[in-house]
Amino acid sequence: GNSVTQMEGPVTLSEEAFLTINCTYTATGYPSLFWYVQYPGEGLQLLLKATKADDKGSNKGFEATYRKETTSFHLEKGSVQVSDSAVYFCALTDSGNTGKLIFGQGTTLQVKP
Amino acid sequence: NAGVTQTPKFRVLKTGQSMTLLCAQDMNHEYMYWYRQDPGMGLRLIHYSVGEGTTAKGEVPDGYNVSRLKKQNFLLGLESAAPSQTSVYFCASNGRLNSPLHFGNGTRLTVT
Repeated sequence: GNSVTQMEGPVTLSEEAFLTINCTYTATGYPSLFWYVQYPGEGLQLLLKATKADDKGSNKGFEATYRKETTSFHLEKGSVQVSDSAVYFCALTDSGNTGKLIFGQGTTLQVKP
Repeated sequence: NAGVTQTPKFRVLKTGQSMTLLCAQDMNHEYMYWYRQDPGMGLRLIHYSVGEGTTAKGEVPDGYNVSRLKKQNFLLGLESAAPSQTSVYFCASNGRLNSPLHFGNGTRLTVT
């Protein structure tokens, strides 16, 4: 089946720093790719998505580009805020018609003022 | 906009006890999923359903059972809880393939 490998954390940044969280995947076919964010005590929320090669997903200043040649979907933000502190999960659709998502292990981001 | 609702939010069980976690969605979604979240392991799929009356095993199904008698509900059962089942459980749903999952807020289960 498909799989995803995510940069290990925790990642600690100062406010206004540049953020990159690496995500690479192994897949058959053409999966859709997602980034989810989890704030403390809450469920996962969709942050952005991309459904085909070279698509760029963006939301709330975060961006990620579907790179088929490098099988990557790295998350970036130009200037992080304290409120961005959360756990970030990279995910992709699994093969087969089930709608399942395969998740990375999550990366904890802490932003200090 | 209720979305996906999980009950209970917290539960403590003794080893060997049983319980059922309830997931309800009001979006008329066909697909529903149960995941567990453990530190450093991301989310792992326990069971899932592609429609009313259907269920299938995910990555870590042992020790769990599920039922999808109504389209809007997906129940996760633990017949004889073990400490290894201490985790945070998330239910999710989606309405079509390759679309994002909608998650509930989770159930934190501790088995002593």
